Amino acid sequence: ETGVTQTPRHLVMGMTNKKSLKCEQHLGHNAMYWYKQSAKKPLELMFVYNFKEQTENNSVPSRFSPECPNSSHLFLHLHTLQPEDSALYLCASSQDLSGAPNQPQHFGDGTRLSIL
Amino acid sequence: SQQGEEDPQALSIQEGENATMNCSYKTSINNLQWYRQNSGRGLVHLILIRSNEREKHSGRLRVTLDTSKKSSSLLITASRAADTASYFCATVPANQAGTALIFGKGTTLSVSS
Repeated sequence: ETGVTQTPRHLVMGMTNKKSLKCEQHLGHNAMYWYKQSAKKPLELMFVYNFKEQTENNSVPSRFSPECPNSSHLFLHLHTLQPEDSALYLCASSQDLSGAPNQPQHFGDGTRLSIL
Repeated sequence: SQQGEEDPQALSIQEGENATMNCSYKTSINNLQWYRQNSGRGLVHLILIRSNEREKHSGRLRVTLDTSKKSSSLLITASRAADTASYFCATVPANQAGTALIFGKGTTLSVSS
């Protein structure tokens, strides 16, 4: 396994629901990332955290709210989503951002989100 | 904006054959990485090549980088059915604020036995 665990693996929700995606890494990394993967589109970076501090928000709508309580856990809180938000949401981690350009990222298997 | 673009979009070969995938990018880079994604799974890092390197090997994988042409290729030799997956290149642009890996849309490789 990759050492990055995402739950749930699948989630179906209505547009008015509130739900959360969870990511946990067991690699001792300090940087964590949320990506969105839609069909026929490149992977899109959403948020980056380094040592629990958010360092990047890639113009993500406020209906997505990230939380990083510690270096091992990352959440993505969802509310009032739109049908176009249906996608695979991937979490990744790397050692930290000091050597970020030359570090590989380790990905979880994602949460397949469907908005009704 | 999209930095890397893989070619071809899809590739079908027989087991034992070699598979070559190409990646082109637009701006100067710090390094280029290749990832594999099996259906329904996350991405797995395969290999990283720095901008001052020209070729790198890892098992059956061979990656080349031509910074003058802003392109890279991934060669998988003696392919196996288990190599069936999508392959993505990701670049780290030089002199860019932030840490974003910029991914292409990927090449879907099908290896039939």
